[in-house]
Amino acid sequence: SYELTQPPSVSVSPGQTARVTCSGDALSKQYAYWYQQKPGQAPVLVIYKDTERPSGIPERFSGSSSGTTVTLTISGVQAEDEADYYCQSADSSATWVFGGGTKLTVL
Amino acid sequence: QVQLAESGGGVVQPGRSLRLSCAASGFTFSSYGMHWVRQAPGKGLEWVAVIWFDASNNNYADSVKGRFTISRDNSKNTLYLQMNSLRAEDTAVYYCAREGQFGSGGGFDYWGQGTLVTVSS
Repeated sequence: SYELTQPPSVSVSPGQTARVTCSGDALSKQYAYWYQQKPGQAPVLVIYKDTERPSGIPERFSGSSSGTTVTLTISGVQAEDEADYYCQSADSSATWVFGGGTKLTVL
Repeated sequence: QVQLAESGGGVVQPGRSLRLSCAASGFTFSSYGMHWVRQAPGKGLEWVAVIWFDASNNNYADSVKGRFTISRDNSKNTLYLQMNSLRAEDTAVYYCAREGQFGSGGGFDYWGQGTLVTVSS
């Protein structure tokens, strides 16, 4: 199996830009997905296939990819964006994996 | 609208068994791969198991391989997770999740609200 590595925490002031990274060898070959999870709630998909945004997700959420690192960017962060964020991918042997999660704090 | 509703969680003693169910509605269940994902208290998400849309294949995380069995009944729009030889470290909220039609190895576009399993004597 393989691993996806995320920073444990990111802090940003309202209106600023937050960037959450996710690194792993498989990301050069497989797509990444990002989820937002607020306390006591189920995760919500916010980015799929590295850069695509599901309907209903605000435009301030975007994704990018470079080599073995993918990045979730939240532009103009709002207080409601405070949550845990998880990256996820899968390998060719039908094994899915999540990153350890990043707690986004809006100061 | 798509809905996934887990049930079957509870408190169980170590070494015992439990079966979780996930009732699906609002979409053609038989067309989608389905997964179980768990989250231990205060911890991150952990993928548990996958089953293909037609039940032709499945796979498991190493942590549950040989103890858990994923299955589905497409006639009842229901996903199952049979958990045997439960351990304290299996204590978690268990979510069922639909694999979106993003291509192989895709992500999860819908999740249930989860059911809590507590393994304790």
